[in-house]
Amino acid sequence: AQTVTQSQPEMSVQEAETVTLSCTYDTSENNYYLFWYKQPPSRQMILVIRQEAYKQQNATENRFSVNFQKAAKSFSLKISDSQLGDTAMYFCAFMRVQGGKLIFGQGTELSVKP
Amino acid sequence: GAGVSQSPRYKVAKRGQDVALRCDPISGHVSLFWYQQALGQGPEFLTYFQNEAQLDKSGLPSDRFFAERPEGSVSTLKIQRTQQEDSAVYLCASSHDGGGYEQYFGPGTRLTVT
Repeated sequence: AQTVTQSQPEMSVQEAETVTLSCTYDTSENNYYLFWYKQPPSRQMILVIRQEAYKQQNATENRFSVNFQKAAKSFSLKISDSQLGDTAMYFCAFMRVQGGKLIFGQGTELSVKP
Repeated sequence: GAGVSQSPRYKVAKRGQDVALRCDPISGHVSLFWYQQALGQGPEFLTYFQNEAQLDKSGLPSDRFFAERPEGSVSTLKIQRTQQEDSAVYLCASSHDGGGYEQYFGPGTRLTVT
């Protein structure tokens, strides 16, 4: 069975600074997908970034980038130039290559302070 | 265009009552997922449809939980004889592809069982 672990329940960062959220996972599969989702307070979950395990290049989406270390089963999210609107719960998630369900971590609550 | 919608947004049920939660996916989306999110936790998978076929119901916690999507569009999650441990936010997500590789989430239904 696959598991996803986020070891940082809460983090804070000053506006305009950079923050890194950690995620580790466990799987015996070689191909899979990894995701970071953002859940703002009282708002719905949205996809931030996705990484295919067969791709060596780390995914980037504007201010968001990942550090994917397949051998270490680590998938961290870096947010550059943090903005107040980045305040949210962030969930790391795993999906088998066949698709289907997302397996989520416990989440990291990020606060961006002015 | 319209996103995933869920109704009701809030539901209070007395222990032992039956409830029905509705999900309207994005038009044309093939896959539909239900997740349960307890307070302060990451979402946990309940069940998954591809069109009207229920491909995976391994996450349903008991036979009191039942989901359907009879015409491959709207889905209903029914919980019979609700119990206090059923209190959670129930999230619905849909995806244009069969595998669910890019899931769009609804706002959720917050169920409180008293």
